[in-house]
Amino acid sequence: GAGVSQSPSNKVTEKGKDVELRCDPISGHTALYWYRQSLGQGLEFLIYFQGNSAPDKSGLPSDRFSAERTGGSVSTLTIQRTQQEDSAVYLCASSLGGAVDEQFFGPGTRLTVL
Amino acid sequence: SQQGEEDPQALSIQEGENATMNCSYKTSINNLQWYRQNSGRGLVHLILIRSNEREKHSGRLRVTLDTSKKSSSLLITASRAADTASYFCATDDINDMRFGAGTRLTVKP
Repeated sequence: GAGVSQSPSNKVTEKGKDVELRCDPISGHTALYWYRQSLGQGLEFLIYFQGNSAPDKSGLPSDRFSAERTGGSVSTLTIQRTQQEDSAVYLCASSLGGAVDEQFFGPGTRLTVL
Repeated sequence: SQQGEEDPQALSIQEGENATMNCSYKTSINNLQWYRQNSGRGLVHLILIRSNEREKHSGRLRVTLDTSKKSSSLLITASRAADTASYFCATDDINDMRFGAGTRLTVKP
């Protein structure tokens, strides 16, 4: 069956531009996560959606970052006025019922801000 | 939020040797998961161990969990060059999950 997909796989943008990253979770998974991994660093939690509950945005590094999950399925992570320090791999994961379940990760989007 | 924290940060061994990585966490958990990440690629789930389990095996992998010490270990036996990757543990804390910085394992042929 299809796994978690993300698009684009690579994104190069200029400083100050806005970018949108997309995540398609596994069908039926109620939980969706966004993580960021900077070069040589560990994973950094960004945001967590669980069903119809208000998302846990505690990991978003600044108000330039926002995310939506439409219809409980596809999610978009938006970074406004990108900075060079935003360069990283952005990973999306989904799980069936929440954090207690195995998370399935997408391949990630590599964002480079010039 | 509570992170899993892996140690060592880096481990270099010869092919055929065993590799042991450790993870510590800070709160009560429902489960702990180990993941592998090859350079430049996404994460691959390796194994999940629940809080009521003490040990779990999957192929060449053995995971232990000590909830009294809030720690877990991942043992890779008979390592191969293809095992070279970063290994992460992640815990769930009721409604969120966090990752540590990972252990970078290098297996030399």
